[in-house]
Amino acid sequence: QVQLVQSGAEVKKPGSSVKVSCKASGGTFTSYGIGWVRQAPGQGLEWMGRIALLLGLANYAQKFQGRVTITADKSTSTAYMELRSLRSDDTAVYYCATLVEDHFYMDVWGKGTTVIVSS
Amino acid sequence: DIQLTQSPSSLSASVGDRVTITCRASQYVSNSVHWYQQKPGKAPEVLIYDASNLQSGVPSRFSGSGSGTDFTLTISSLQPDDLATYYCQQTYTLPQTFGQGTKVEIK
Repeated sequence: QVQLVQSGAEVKKPGSSVKVSCKASGGTFTSYGIGWVRQAPGQGLEWMGRIALLLGLANYAQKFQGRVTITADKSTSTAYMELRSLRSDDTAVYYCATLVEDHFYMDVWGKGTTVIVSS
Repeated sequence: DIQLTQSPSSLSASVGDRVTITCRASQYVSNSVHWYQQKPGKAPEVLIYDASNLQSGVPSRFSGSGSGTDFTLTISSLQPDDLATYYCQQTYTLPQTFGQGTKVEIK
């Protein structure tokens, strides 16, 4: 089964950007899509957006519209989530996960990438 | 956006107890509700998809039911390994949303 390997932890300054990668290890992207979820310290899960791999179309939560871009490179089986204009409340663990076709639930998850935003 | 409200927010139960968690949607979501388990320090894992389908490899003590706006996750006999926070998610419409979570502790 494919595994998702995420990039390492990041420490960023307020106002900067972060780009988190999510690579399919042991295979290629065969799922319908990739979704991104974040979890602030001690908080619940927050859906950020998703990308449908066939057409490369992305959808985003309104909260992040204009600040987030989700892309995917099928040639390297890697998805990316870029978040701009970082604030301290963007400090969180960011997860990617495969989306099951027709059902859209999150099947295989990455281990998460910690992003700390601090001056 | 569709709001998902889970209850209770936390519970403490003994090994062997039957545990029930509910998830109520603010609008109709058909059966497009899924349940995840998140153990401390780990990524979530899917337990139940489409309200009542057990994900492959998940113990049969987990079950789900419901449709429309009201959904339930049941653990028929709580085990020590079930210490975790449980989340429901709707994928009926965008943006997909999660419930706030239910933390399950073992007495």
